[in-house]
Amino acid sequence: GAVVSQHPSWVICKSGTSVKIECRSLDFQATTMFWYRQFPKQSLMLMATSNEGSKATYEQGVEKDKFLINHASLTLSTLTVTSAHPEDSSFYICSARDRPTNEKLFFGSGTQLSVL
Amino acid sequence: EDQVTQSPEALRLQEGESSSLNCSYTVSGLRGLFWYRQDPGKGPEFLFTLYSAGEEKEKERLKATLTKKESFLHITAPKPEDSATYLCAVNQQAGTALIFGKGTTLSVSS
Repeated sequence: GAVVSQHPSWVICKSGTSVKIECRSLDFQATTMFWYRQFPKQSLMLMATSNEGSKATYEQGVEKDKFLINHASLTLSTLTVTSAHPEDSSFYICSARDRPTNEKLFFGSGTQLSVL
Repeated sequence: EDQVTQSPEALRLQEGESSSLNCSYTVSGLRGLFWYRQDPGKGPEFLFTLYSAGEEKEKERLKATLTKKESFLHITAPKPEDSATYLCAVNQQAGTALIFGKGTTLSVSS
């Protein structure tokens, strides 16, 4: 199956700093990538839809100025958590489809963010 | 209002003890129901896609079925390595993200 690579796997940062998470499609091109957030024992919640070459679409309640998404190429999307606070600590996961006609999503391995 | 509801939240089985996980959904215009497996600290791993009522898919000890309102993931003679969280998700519209349930955490002891 298609491979989505996500880095880093985990990151610890101080409150007020920014953290960048990278998501790459290794063997296919992805015009659209999806960023999810998952709290312990909770469902994957969609944060935003990342579109190559255009602005991301954010879900209701997700601050676009806090969670900056850049989809500069067909194989790379980045999520930057700006001025991170402890409540931003969570598991962030990216995903993509290997082709538009394929309904299933392929997921990265996730990034565990801990903000001290 | 939850669109995807999974039950039970947690399930403990003995090795070899078969059981089923449930996923009920309320979305209209279903464009696919998906089952994923998620291990702790990892991203979800795709298992099955079901598109229409009556459809069934099998993979090793797992079998997924679909009706108009729910899906079941049947686990036959589970082994400890089947321990994981099983996630159900639906797709309402082409090209959009999947909507996930909270998952069922399965623990299989030997």
